[in-house]
Amino acid sequence: IQMTQSPSSLSASLGDRLTITCRASENIRTSLNWYQQRPGKAPRLLLYEASRLQTGVPSRFSGSGSGTDFTLTISGLQPDDFATYYCQESYSTSSFGGGTKVDIK
Amino acid sequence: QLQLQESGPGLVRPSESLSLTCTVSGDSTRSRSYYWGWIRQPPGKGLEWIANIYYNGNTYYNPSLKSRVTLSVDTSKNQFSLNVSSVTAADTGVYYCTRVPYSSSSQYGIDVWGQGTMVTVSS
Repeated sequence: IQMTQSPSSLSASLGDRLTITCRASENIRTSLNWYQQRPGKAPRLLLYEASRLQTGVPSRFSGSGSGTDFTLTISGLQPDDFATYYCQESYSTSSFGGGTKVDIK
Repeated sequence: QLQLQESGPGLVRPSESLSLTCTVSGDSTRSRSYYWGWIRQPPGKGLEWIANIYYNGNTYYNPSLKSRVTLSVDTSKNQFSLNVSSVTAADTGVYYCTRVPYSSSSQYGIDVWGQGTMVTVSS
């Protein structure tokens, strides 16, 4: 299964609401995870099963979608949110998207 | 507190084998509640799933790496290991060991990551 994220990068300001899209090459139901990775650090799980918030993750992160199209939304961008975000399908071969780098405008 | 710690050589020669071990503390590799696995990340690039292993030794491999990868688990030492044979420069990167919750009714993400270990393939 191929996972395609868009955009590959974006610039945003503190307080912005932003949306990242992930598309699967075939139906993966809701078997979709989102991760955040800061430079030099291991990734951190944000959401699983497309929309379920991992324990300890702020509620400004939300996810939606099913089948082949998914979105990650960050409502009210905070300084810690400037990072790279990855989607991953857990339906078949655990493929990752190429990542979306969020930097400061 | 649960921790995963990778260990192994930081430099491997081309055509040789790469071997890494992950030591688990604060949990047990005997647990039926988790898969244990490996993810890698080439410098400046994205994440690639390598493989997972269950407590009973059942393994699940990335099809693109399956012919060169072997996972094993040593429950007596609370460790699991990765071996990648016939390495090339394309195998250079940070290798993370991971934990994935298992459920027959839900699909979970990787909830625990090691800090990662850099492996360079070079002569």
